[in-house]
Amino acid sequence: DAGVIQSPRHEVTEMGQEVTLRCKPISGHNSLFWYRQTMMRGLELLIYFNNNVPIDDSGMPEDRFSAKMPNASFSTLKIQPSEPRDSAVYFCASSLFTGPIDTQYFGPGTRLTVL
Amino acid sequence: AQKVTQAQTEISVVEKEDVTLDCVYETRDTTYYLFWYKQPPSGELVFLIRRNSFDEQNEISGRYSWNFQKSTSSFNFTITASQVVDSAVYFCALTTGGFKTIFGAGTRLFVKA
Repeated sequence: DAGVIQSPRHEVTEMGQEVTLRCKPISGHNSLFWYRQTMMRGLELLIYFNNNVPIDDSGMPEDRFSAKMPNASFSTLKIQPSEPRDSAVYFCASSLFTGPIDTQYFGPGTRLTVL
Repeated sequence: AQKVTQAQTEISVVEKEDVTLDCVYETRDTTYYLFWYKQPPSGELVFLIRRNSFDEQNEISGRYSWNFQKSTSSFNFTITASQVVDSAVYFCALTTGGFKTIFGAGTRLFVKA
């Protein structure tokens, strides 16, 4: 079975440009997470969706970041405008939440470099 | 507040040595789950194990074993007879209340041939 798919795997852009990261969760999973990993801050949860609805976006660093999940098989994380401090690895994870706790399965990540 | 501490930043061992990665957690919740993930040099995060707060049984899977002790709030991970392929960053994580997962800072393990 296919795992979580993320694209692109690497993205290099210039400051001020719009960046869109994409994620396809594992088929049948009902929860989706976006994380950011940096050396300084480790793994941070940015936003969590359940049944395509954003449940908690308190980790989104600022208004330049937005995430959508238009259907159960696709999500995007957009940064506009991008800044050098946004350089990080962005992970998408999905899970089948049946309560009380689920196990998250991670995609390969997108390494973003903002020059 | 929830917290996960992995005090060992880096560990270096020689192949075939046993190695234990420490994880100490803090939570006031009585129901919680603990996880270990592996991040090899290729970068992906691989799920290894999940343990709930009501199950203190230790677990063994091949060369991997986990020791969960609520009395010391620890969930340690031991690799027996380490191999070069075990070289990775290992993360301990804590989940309470449904979805919010807190990750430790990770322990980078180097296994030398």
